[in-house]
Amino acid sequence: DGGITQSPKYLFRKEGQNVTLSCEQNLNHDAMYWYRQDPGQGLRLIYYSQIVNDFQKGDIAEGYSVSREKKESFPLTVTSAQKNPTAFYLCASSIVTGGGYEQYFGPGTRLTVT
Amino acid sequence: GENVEQHPSTLSVQEGDSAVIKCTYSDSASNYFPWYKQELGKGPQLIIDIRSNVGEKKDQRIAVTLNKTAKHFSLHITETQPEDSAVYFCAASIIGKAAGNKLTFGGGTRVLVKP
Repeated sequence: DGGITQSPKYLFRKEGQNVTLSCEQNLNHDAMYWYRQDPGQGLRLIYYSQIVNDFQKGDIAEGYSVSREKKESFPLTVTSAQKNPTAFYLCASSIVTGGGYEQYFGPGTRLTVT
Repeated sequence: GENVEQHPSTLSVQEGDSAVIKCTYSDSASNYFPWYKQELGKGPQLIIDIRSNVGEKKDQRIAVTLNKTAKHFSLHITETQPEDSAVYFCAASIIGKAAGNKLTFGGGTRVLVKP
């Protein structure tokens, strides 16, 4: 089965703790993306990566960090500096060149911080 | 940066009627416009997309139109069915390695199809 997996589906943390969300893809895509979705709102880009060991900030990168050590993996860390971390987090991947620009999304992780 | 506005935020239609969702974008360099459908608690799925060199694209009951001059694009769903009930998002992007294929999303439209 090809696709994107995110784990866990639900995550609960206490305020002040860092937490890492997992994203893995077996689509052999070069590019991976992290989005944040708040209730009743659209998706906002946190970070993206087009190649291993390289990543770029999106529109709302403050309080988040990422790594891209392997092509298939792009974990997102929500740090204690993120002022309002409770949200639904979505990971996506796509090819970069050669046509077919669709971004494929994972099932998401709902993070609740209290 | 790019800004995408989407209207309406909610849309209720009778089964069998048509639904239309409209989006405007701000960056004239944007050249790729996908539409995603999101069901409750799931990730979005692409339902149709259009590139800026095409004015209209159709796939069965779904069609998208693009007006580059006015910088707006629309999703049309005909003969709506209860399974069309979901949240729909439009997005805009500049495709290519230099731009990173980053998507800017509209705020979403919650569509309810009443049987």
